[in-house]
Amino acid sequence: DTAVSQTPKYLVTQMGNDKSIKCEQNLGHDTMYWYKQDSKKFLKIMFSYNNKELIINETVPNRFSPKSPDKAHLNLHINSLELGDSAVYFCASSQDLRGNSYGYTFGSGTRLTVV
Amino acid sequence: GENVEQHPSTLSVQEGDSAVIKCTYSDSASNYFPWYKQELGKGPQLIIDIRSNVGEKKDQRIAVTLNKTAKHFSLHITETQPEDSAVYFCAASKGGSYIPTFGRGTSLIVHP
Repeated sequence: DTAVSQTPKYLVTQMGNDKSIKCEQNLGHDTMYWYKQDSKKFLKIMFSYNNKELIINETVPNRFSPKSPDKAHLNLHINSLELGDSAVYFCASSQDLRGNSYGYTFGSGTRLTVV
Repeated sequence: GENVEQHPSTLSVQEGDSAVIKCTYSDSASNYFPWYKQELGKGPQLIIDIRSNVGEKKDQRIAVTLNKTAKHFSLHITETQPEDSAVYFCAASKGGSYIPTFGRGTSLIVHP
C-alpha cells in the first residue's frame, strides 16, 4: 500500500527520557512534515523537510530534532521529555513544496504520553 | 499571517440530515482550501479541496463552496451516515513558500 507510515503508534515514557519517532513514505513525495496535535485537536506545524533539507522550523524547543536520512524518511528525536510534550505527533508528506496544490498525506499518528 | 476560523466546534445531526461546516480566512491572497477528515485514532485524510478560481466543487455526498469576496468557504455533507462521524478540518493557503493554516476542527456526530 502507498502510504505514510510512522512508528510507534503509542509511546509511554517517563519525564527526562529521550525518544524517537520514525516516519517513512513510499509516495515518492519530496516534502515531509511533522505536526503536533494537542488535546483540543489543534494541528501545529513543527518541521518541514524538502528532499532531506530543513525548510521550515517553527517555534519548537531545541529538544526536538528532526533527521532526514533520505527523502523518504523523516524521524523525530526528542530529548529530555517533559509532561507538556504529551500529544499526538503526525508525520505527513506532500507532492509539492508546501502542500499548497494537492494537500497532505498524513500518517496515522504517534500518541506520546509522558508520565 | 493567515487566520482561519472554523465553526461550529461540535455538530450533532441525525442520520440522513445534512451537515454544514463553515470556515473564514483573513488573507485575501489565499488560493487553495483543502478539507480533511480525521477518524478516531487515525490521521487526517484529504477529502475534498477547492481552488480560488472555482466557486463550488462536489464529490458524491460532499461539496465545498467558496465565497472569495466574503472570504469564507463551507463543507456540505448530504444524507449523513454514522460513518461520517469524525473531526473535520478546513485549511487555507496562499501557495508559494507558505504553509497551510488549519482551522481548529469540527467534531461531527451522526446519530443513527
